[in-house]
Amino acid sequence: GNSVTQMEGPVTLSEEAFLTINCTYTATGYPSLFWYVQYPGEGLQLLLKATKADDKGSNKGFEATYRKETTSFHLEKGSVQVSDSAVYFCALRGNAGGTSYGKLTFGQGTILTVHP
Amino acid sequence: DSGVTQTPKHLITATGQRVTLRCSPRSGDLSVYWYQQSLDQGLQFLIQYYNGEERAKGNILERFSAQQFPDLHSELNLSSLELGDSALYFCASSALLAEQETQYFGPGTRLLVL
Repeated sequence: GNSVTQMEGPVTLSEEAFLTINCTYTATGYPSLFWYVQYPGEGLQLLLKATKADDKGSNKGFEATYRKETTSFHLEKGSVQVSDSAVYFCALRGNAGGTSYGKLTFGQGTILTVHP
Repeated sequence: DSGVTQTPKHLITATGQRVTLRCSPRSGDLSVYWYQQSLDQGLQFLIQYYNGEERAKGNILERFSAQQFPDLHSELNLSSLELGDSALYFCASSALLAEQETQYFGPGTRLLVL
């Protein structure tokens, strides 16, 4: 079945540092890939997505490129802010068909803390 | 604000009891999903409904059931509750069924079983 593996956390950075959170996946076919962010006490918010190979999703300074050859979708940001402190989830959604068509499969989440 | 609402925000109950969690999707969205977030299992898909019909099923226990009503709101029923059912339960909605459709999440219902 489908699976997503994220880098172990927590990740602690200073403000303006470069961020990478690794995400690799296992899936048949051509899944869509997502990054969701969960701020303390809140639900999940879509951060960015990519629906086909070589697509780059971007939002709020965050970027991730859908790499089919390495089955990866690493999240990057050039300069993090204290307000970026949150839990980040990588997720995939499989192709049409089958009994689990609609579901998102999530990684375990990576806690990011940014210090001033 | 995603436009997805969930009630209640918090729920404390005892083992063996039954609870109902409610979700109202974004206006116009036909598809509703339920997820469970727990410390040991992470975020797991439970079940999906589309326009009133069950569409996909994940690791949902037999003690749990869900339905989507004609006005498109959904309810997740959890019965014979156990300590291990304590978790954050999220509802999400999307407009259609296409795999590119974004799922918008509600704020969740935090369930504590004592």
